[in-house]
Amino acid sequence: NAGVTQTPKFQVLKTGQSMTLQCAQDMNHEYMSWYRQDPGMGLRLIHYSVGAGITDQGEVPNGYNVSRSTTEDFPLRLLSAAPSQTSVYFCASSFQQWGTGELFFGEGSRLTVL
Amino acid sequence: QQQVKQSPQSLIVQKGGISIINCAYENTAFDYFPWYQQFPGKGPALLIAIRPDVSEKKEGRFTISFNKSAKQFSLHIMDSQPGDSATYFCAAPNTGTASKLTFGTGTRLQVTL
Repeated sequence: NAGVTQTPKFQVLKTGQSMTLQCAQDMNHEYMSWYRQDPGMGLRLIHYSVGAGITDQGEVPNGYNVSRSTTEDFPLRLLSAAPSQTSVYFCASSFQQWGTGELFFGEGSRLTVL
Repeated sequence: QQQVKQSPQSLIVQKGGISIINCAYENTAFDYFPWYQQFPGKGPALLIAIRPDVSEKKEGRFTISFNKSAKQFSLHIMDSQPGDSATYFCAAPNTGTASKLTFGTGTRLQVTL
């Protein structure tokens, strides 16, 4: 079982460039979310979705866009990368729509913005 | 906005000892408190969770203790093993919407021989 798949695993960007982090899950989960992990900060929620066509902001949404056109995919877009967006990004999904069930995480995408 | 305070930031325990990690939350509309375990280079994975119709939940060597009046919960790892060396995160649902799960800042556990 693939679970939650994130691509790319590593990426280096220059300030101002744009890119999309891909996330796909094959568990038919309605709930999907994006977190960023920084040293000493834990995991902070960027955006989440409770189903296709529905997205909402987390605690650190600025500089990021998301869309949810299918149940399986939840891409995260950086429109104009900044050094402050250097981080490890995790996509997670859950069968529980309200986030009170087990979150299944991908293996992460490490992004460096120069 | 939910805040979850986790301590200690790092912990070194000898093999066979007890590891204790504490978390405190502000408010939550839903009673669901999970702990996640993360190994280097991997994503977090659910270790154990409690829905506090009980004050304690045990799974093998891992136990969650919950104190609702104090708004605190803790993870106890009995007979700690080197394979338990990892980063541990507690989490709690946000007030108003449980769709937002707020994580603590993490505890890096090292179990020495």
